[in-house]
Amino acid sequence: AQTVTQSQPEMSVQEAETVTLSCTYDTSESDYYLFWYKQPPSRQMILVIRQEAYKQQNATENRFSVNFQKAAKSFSLKISDSQLGDAAMYFCAYRSEVWIQGAQKLVFGQGTRLTINP
Amino acid sequence: DVKVTQSSRYLVKRTGEKVFLECVQDMDHENMFWYRQDPGLGLRLIYFSYDVKMKEKGDIPEGYSVSREKKERFSLILESASTNQTSMYLCASSVRAVTSYEQYFGPGTRLTVT
Repeated sequence: AQTVTQSQPEMSVQEAETVTLSCTYDTSESDYYLFWYKQPPSRQMILVIRQEAYKQQNATENRFSVNFQKAAKSFSLKISDSQLGDAAMYFCAYRSEVWIQGAQKLVFGQGTRLTINP
Repeated sequence: DVKVTQSSRYLVKRTGEKVFLECVQDMDHENMFWYRQDPGLGLRLIYFSYDVKMKEKGDIPEGYSVSREKKERFSLILESASTNQTSMYLCASSVRAVTSYEQYFGPGTRLTVT
């Protein structure tokens, strides 16, 4: 079974600086997807960024980018120019290409709580 | 915008009570999911449903059951609530398609069992 590990329970960064959140995963599959989800305080979880394993190019979404190292099974999230609105719990998630009755399950890491210091 | 709603944000129940958590999505998604979120453990899948009246066990189904009588609604049932079921419960939905990437989450229900 796949596992996802986020080894940083909490991180903090000064506003406008850059922070990197770590994620490692374990799988024997060659094709899969990786995601970072953001859960702001008392608000709904939303997708931040995704990465297809077959793509060598790292995904980027505005201030958010990933460093995907397939051989090392590492998938870190870099947030540039941190803003107060970035404060949230961030979850790394793995999705297999294998379908179970037409649904693809997500496996989540433990989460990293990010604090932005003004 | 995709909207996933959950019946309660906060719920307090007594040990042994039967508890119903309701989830409704308005985007005609085939798949619906129930997770529980605990500090240090992340989100863990309880059950999911890929069609009306169809369900599959997730990673931690013990003590829970589900019901999906209509496509837009997915209920999580705690037959006899216990204190170790105190947690945040999140519902999610997604399209059933190979190119589907995203699960859309509800706001969560924080359940306390006393």
